[in-house]
Amino acid sequence: AQSVTQPDIHITVSEGASLELRCNYSYGATPYLFWYVQSPGQGLQLLLKYFSGDTLVQGIKGFEAEFKRSQSSFNLRKPSVHWSDAAEYFCAVGAGNYGQNFVFGPGTRLSVLP
Amino acid sequence: EAGVTQFPSHSVIEKGQTVTLRCDPISGHDNLYWYRRVMGKEIKFLLHFVKESKQDESGMPNNRFLAERTGGTYSTLKVQPAELEDSGVYFCASSQGLAVLTGELFFGEGSRLTVL
Repeated sequence: AQSVTQPDIHITVSEGASLELRCNYSYGATPYLFWYVQSPGQGLQLLLKYFSGDTLVQGIKGFEAEFKRSQSSFNLRKPSVHWSDAAEYFCAVGAGNYGQNFVFGPGTRLSVLP
Repeated sequence: EAGVTQFPSHSVIEKGQTVTLRCDPISGHDNLYWYRRVMGKEIKFLLHFVKESKQDESGMPNNRFLAERTGGTYSTLKVQPAELEDSGVYFCASSQGLAVLTGELFFGEGSRLTVL
């Protein structure tokens, strides 16, 4: 069965520091991979997605993620964190018999220090 | 354009009572999904509608949960009778095509259910 792990439950970084959020997945075929962010009081918002092709994908808000098949990973990165990036981040893989639904990781909560 | 809206935002009920959650997807989105997050754990798939038809309800935990989407517009998720373990945040999401293929799943803010 498909699964997604996010080893870090909570990460704290200083504003301006770089960020990497880890995501590992288990999936038999070539995965469709996603990162979503949930800011306080809001719904989940798509940051970026990987379907195929270039393994380094760019997203909104200055985020990027790299797909590494050999490591079954899809880590999210940002070179310089802003205070507004404080939120919860979810990695997800497309799943289901025909990929109709998503399997989400448990989420990583990001705190940003001024 | 309005996003996915969910009502109520928070519901507190006692064990054994009934609660109905409502989701209004983005207009024109045929695909509607329900997800649930319990106790800060993973967001788990409950079911998927295509228009008014249940395409996949493999994630529904038991027969105390009933989802409907009459007319292929808004959807309701009823929990009857509610149990303590049903507490959590229920997310609704919609997409125009299959979410995995389009890469875009639009989420509502969630309905928080607390069962006492």
